[in-house]
Amino acid sequence: QSVLTQPPSASGTPGQRVTISCSGSSSNIGSNYVYWYQHLPGTAPKLLIYRNNQRPSGVPDRFSGSKSGTSASLAISGLRSEDEADYYCAAWDDSLSGWVFGGGTKLTVL
Amino acid sequence: EVQLVESGGTLVQPGRSLRLSCAASGFTFDDYAMHWVRQAPGKGLEWVSGISRSSGDIVYADSVKGRFTISRDNAKNSLFLQMNSLRAEDTALYYCAKGYTSSCTEEFDHWGQGTLVTVSS
Repeated sequence: QSVLTQPPSASGTPGQRVTISCSGSSSNIGSNYVYWYQHLPGTAPKLLIYRNNQRPSGVPDRFSGSKSGTSASLAISGLRSEDEADYYCAAWDDSLSGWVFGGGTKLTVL
Repeated sequence: EVQLVESGGTLVQPGRSLRLSCAASGFTFDDYAMHWVRQAPGKGLEWVSGISRSSGDIVYADSVKGRFTISRDNAKNSLFLQMNSLRAEDTALYYCAKGYTSSCTEEFDHWGQGTLVTVSS
């Protein structure tokens, strides 16, 4: 049972917009930044969104992040086949004094 | 280019010990915090431990506290994870990750490819 809650799966067709939610609590998302990682199993995870809504250089602007209260979301617009991957949200948890991840959302491009 | 190369993963019996290493290059190692994150087969990512640039701040997940010890050698650009009293549930791909700043509370911006630890009799 992950501290942050994500839907296990999401899907969309090429060109569509999909969103992935991440729900936490006051000790993590409610008081700290949210980060999103893209991961193809067996490869190095990639930082996609940092500090709630910032994109590292090289990440397309099709990817956007937002946060409200104790929840956050990742939006992917203009869906492409190469976006098919697992997506994880993460945040520092003040109560646990450690990092917590969501359980991951497997995105399928139909 | 940031490179993180993990090593030391292998098959080990329950209750035994194992030491993982991570060789870092492409950045000023002693300017940044470092972390270990793992992924059990078929499961999601789980943060294991973090260490600040000077080793003054060290944090662990509750699941490994008291059994695992993180350390670093800034002179050799290396990160380590000493794992004792290993359990079957420690079986995972272990990733080394670079912090964005010198603090353990900031995000990880680069990851290695991982090293596989299998705990089984």
